[in-house]
Amino acid sequence: DTAVSQTPKYLVTQMGNDKSIKCEQNLGHDTMYWYKQDSKKFLKIMFSYNNKELIINETVPNRFSPKSPDKAHLNLHINSLELGDSAVYFCASSQQTGGYNEQFFGPGTRLTVL
Amino acid sequence: GEDVEQSLFLSVREGDSSVINCTYTDSSSTYLYWYKQEPGAGLQLLTYIFSNMDMKQDQRLTVLLNKKDKHLSLRIADTQTGDSAIYFCAERGSGNTGKLIFGQGTTLQVKP
Repeated sequence: DTAVSQTPKYLVTQMGNDKSIKCEQNLGHDTMYWYKQDSKKFLKIMFSYNNKELIINETVPNRFSPKSPDKAHLNLHINSLELGDSAVYFCASSQQTGGYNEQFFGPGTRLTVL
Repeated sequence: GEDVEQSLFLSVREGDSSVINCTYTDSSSTYLYWYKQEPGAGLQLLTYIFSNMDMKQDQRLTVLLNKKDKHLSLRIADTQTGDSAIYFCAERGSGNTGKLIFGQGTTLQVKP
């Protein structure tokens, strides 16, 4: 059973389009995250939800909108895609935000904007 | 501010020890982590250390923490080809949001 799953695994689209990436975790965790990994492998937090409440919102263009319909799901919608949005997007989850807070990562979604 | 830095590349021979180094800036970090990313996969927690510890050992892995110098290292004993991956150092961000600040990753290449 996959603990944290993301769909799609690959996404190729044109500039200006709107796309969504979905994430689901079956670990019963309360907290979920979106990270962006650029072409140099640099990994940066974008958003985090705890019990469906937004708790981290880094400096991300408002074209990016996360949505958590329930604790097990955190989706990422991107409007008006730009070339610079090309990256690998990782979803992650953790039991809580306190303690050592081990985060479990999904396999990633490679987004290519042409 | 919060910043984590690592060297980008390390190459070792199979059977040797690997040492990956990391520096961080936030002296209030309570936890520091090492994550491993294999090709085409997500990150996986390898080990972590609480800030009041100097060392933590877990089988082939040894983590050393120098709080004064804000330096963290990961030593992998008897490095195997299966250890080839990108290793990310991370510090826990301030506040109680679970935010992690990652370094840019060190690519470990293990030659047979």
